[in-house]
Amino acid sequence: EAQVTQNPRYLITVTGKKLTVTCSQNMNHEYMSWYRQDPGLGLRQIYYSMNVEVTDKGDVPEGYKVSRKEKRNFPLILESPSPNQTSLYFCASSLSPRTDTQYFGPGTRLTVL
Amino acid sequence: GQQLNQSPQSMFIQEGEDVSMNCTSSSIFNTWLWYKQDPGEGPVLLIALYKAGELTSNGRLTAQFGITRKDSFLNISASIPSDVGIYFCAGPADSNYQLIWGAGTKLIIKP
Repeated sequence: EAQVTQNPRYLITVTGKKLTVTCSQNMNHEYMSWYRQDPGLGLRQIYYSMNVEVTDKGDVPEGYKVSRKEKRNFPLILESPSPNQTSLYFCASSLSPRTDTQYFGPGTRLTVL
Repeated sequence: GQQLNQSPQSMFIQEGEDVSMNCTSSSIFNTWLWYKQDPGEGPVLLIALYKAGELTSNGRLTAQFGITRKDSFLNISASIPSDVGIYFCAGPADSNYQLIWGAGTKLIIKP
């Protein structure tokens, strides 16, 4: 089954404790991206990747890192989480960003205390 | 940068009513995408529009790509309870490979 998986689905952590949210897709998609969703603000893109070893900043990259060492995986890293990073995070993938359907993962709800 | 403005922000409707929402921008978009997010899930693509003036349907949903390329509309006819959710418009940025998103229209059906 074609899908995007994210782990963990829920995470409560404390300020400053490094964490990684994993994202994996099984559709051989080249384009992957991370979004955060906050009430009233819609989806804001954090980082995206056009292909292996090619990443670029979205609208809200501060405080986040990503890597794309393999086509299927695109982890999101918070080196020193802060409470303003409490949000709902989505990973998505598509063949291309301009004309193709983006497939979204189920979301990761992160709370930083 | 490019922005998409969606309205209304939320809608309270009765089951069976028709629904209209729109998305506007001060800049031109060459593709308009409409997604729906069910509660607790990620967004799913409903309709993609690629040409100015294009009118495309998906069941009870109809979307139009505005002639000016600065707006798009989504209509839902005869709403049912499973239409509840957040509807987003989106479009690819001109200058890079970002996808720009509207803030969403939340559809709530009155009991």
